[in-house]
Amino acid sequence: DVKVTQSSRYLVKRTGEKVFLECVQDMDHENMFWYRQDPGLGLRLIYFSYDVKMKEKGDIPEGYSVSREKKERFSLILESASTNQTSMYLCASSAPGGSTDTQYFGPGTRLTVL
Amino acid sequence: GQQVMQIPQYQHVQEGEDFTTYCNSSTTLSNIQWYKQRPGGHPVFLIQLVKSGEVKKQKRLTFQFGEAKKNSSLHITATQTTDVGTYFCAGPRAGKSTFGDGTTLTVKP
Repeated sequence: DVKVTQSSRYLVKRTGEKVFLECVQDMDHENMFWYRQDPGLGLRLIYFSYDVKMKEKGDIPEGYSVSREKKERFSLILESASTNQTSMYLCASSAPGGSTDTQYFGPGTRLTVL
Repeated sequence: GQQVMQIPQYQHVQEGEDFTTYCNSSTTLSNIQWYKQRPGGHPVFLIQLVKSGEVKKQKRLTFQFGEAKKNSSLHITATQTTDVGTYFCAGPRAGKSTFGDGTTLTVKP
């Protein structure tokens, strides 16, 4: 069964802290994505990766970075958290072949920055 | 760039009524996907449409892809309380996907 896991369901951090959000998939998928979801704004793509050590900016990369050292793990990093980064963060993966394949989402991490 | 617009943003129905959400793209799509997100949950893939004019059914759900492959719809017949959630369409864009903003359905018993 397909599984995408995220390190935390809920996280509370303070302004200026460095924050790591981890995502692991067990499906040997090459493609991985990070989205943030805010009320009324849908799903917005932050970064994505098509292979190990490869990353591409999405629509809203400012204030974020990512790391993909292993195929199964894709990390989202907030170098210096700010209150406007309070949001739900969703990780997804898809099979080789590009984004037209089904995306499998993790349960999400609700981050609050105080 | 490519945009995927979805309407309505919210829909409140009485249980048993029908529901439709519409998805429109500014460009021709090679395919379109639909996802459902239950309250407190994460998006889950429902279906993918590829062919012009394609119609697919999943029990009470009917999915259509327009002839020009620029629009799509999801229709639910006789809604049930289990249908509540947000429905998203998604189209491919330059190696990734563009999601619509979603339609949130609430069903009054």
